[in-house]
Amino acid sequence: TQLLEQSPQFLSIQEGENLTVYCNSSSVFSSLQWYRQEPGEGPVLLVTVVTGGEVKKLKRLTFQFGDARKDSSLHITAAQPGDTGLYLCAGRETSGSRLTFGEGTQLTVNP
Amino acid sequence: DAGVIQSPRHEVTEMGQEVTLRCKPISGHNSLFWYRQTMMRGLELLIYFNNNVPIDDSGMPEDRFSAKMPNASFSTLKIQPSEPRDSAVYFCASSWTGLGEQYFGPGTRLTVT
Repeated sequence: TQLLEQSPQFLSIQEGENLTVYCNSSSVFSSLQWYRQEPGEGPVLLVTVVTGGEVKKLKRLTFQFGDARKDSSLHITAAQPGDTGLYLCAGRETSGSRLTFGEGTQLTVNP
Repeated sequence: DAGVIQSPRHEVTEMGQEVTLRCKPISGHNSLFWYRQTMMRGLELLIYFNNNVPIDDSGMPEDRFSAKMPNASFSTLKIQPSEPRDSAVYFCASSWTGLGEQYFGPGTRLTVT
């Protein structure tokens, strides 16, 4: 099983600050996804990146896939309390349909 | 438009009892996934079905766990006998294809005492 390491594990910031979450692996993935999970709910897909070096923007969120397709980052600009949640990265193995999830980054944005 | 439906939402049972978790995928989706989430191990894939057929069950922890998908609109995950270390949130997810976006249900929080 390919492993994904996320950092930081916990992040508490003030409203308006910027932040970056990292997702790293020694393995190559065919694609990488970022999910956001709120308490009592299942993860919800935010974005899928497929091409090495790809950058996708979703309002204040910027996602990047590493050139070698082994790592990814999520950058949030001017964080808001509504961004609070557990952010999970998930890599799709090159050999099939299995998604491997990182441990998650618990983000808290304080008003 | 209903999403993935799971029942029950919460289950508390005693060690040794049988537990059955249920999932109704989104209509038209042909792939279904069962995951387990814990603080220690994060979100782990247990088993994956495509067109009602189990494709990858390598994540099923041991013989106490079994999953079935008798038709395209229903799946069960059974634990017999249950143990305290099975306590976790169990998620069901479905997608149009095995490679498509996965839509997660709200999860079943299982507590085994």
